[in-house]
Amino acid sequence: DVKVTQSSRYLVKRTGEKVFLECVQDMDHENMFWYRQDPGLGLRLIYFSYDVKMKEKGDIPEGYSVSREKKERFSLILESASTNQTSMYLCASSPPSFVGRDYEQYFGPGTRLTVT
Amino acid sequence: LAKTTQPISMDSYEGQEVNITCSHNNIATNDYITWYQQFPSQGPRFIIQGYKTKVTNEVASLFIPADRKSSTLSLPRVSLSDTAVYYCLVGGRDDKIIFGKGTRLHILP
Repeated sequence: DVKVTQSSRYLVKRTGEKVFLECVQDMDHENMFWYRQDPGLGLRLIYFSYDVKMKEKGDIPEGYSVSREKKERFSLILESASTNQTSMYLCASSPPSFVGRDYEQYFGPGTRLTVT
Repeated sequence: LAKTTQPISMDSYEGQEVNITCSHNNIATNDYITWYQQFPSQGPRFIIQGYKTKVTNEVASLFIPADRKSSTLSLPRVSLSDTAVYYCLVGGRDDKIIFGKGTRLHILP
């Protein structure tokens, strides 16, 4: 089974702190994604990566950055946390797209981040 | 990228068949239709994917009419554990993936 793990289930940080959210997948997937999920807004894509050292902005990249130094690890960084970044953060991975099995993403359990 | 529209919420009873319809009027020729399920405090889980006609797996069936402007996820004989949010996604190989707000399905005893 594909396993996607995230470093913490719950995290509390103060405004202005630098926050690192780590995600690791064990299936040698090329693609990795970071989403945030808020009530009434569904899942929104923050950043994604199709390869090591490669990153692409999603729909809401402002206030975030990412790092992918190794294929299995994709980190989300909040340079200076703010209260409006309080949210559930979900990491996902997927194999390369090919006809018939696009978008089969495997999600981690999520990190609920509270910024006070 | 085709936008999808699905009901915000639905209620049903245990043992019933549940059908959730998703509209995607601007679907492109190369787009696939994919459904995910999300339980509270968990990440979404892939359920089923199709391109046309009907696809069935151990969890659900997906019905896609000839014009592909809509699709229907069918869950046979639901139980309380099927209470979840269901997302319909449409896109092709090079598209960014966009999850909408989904359909909150509530199964009643």
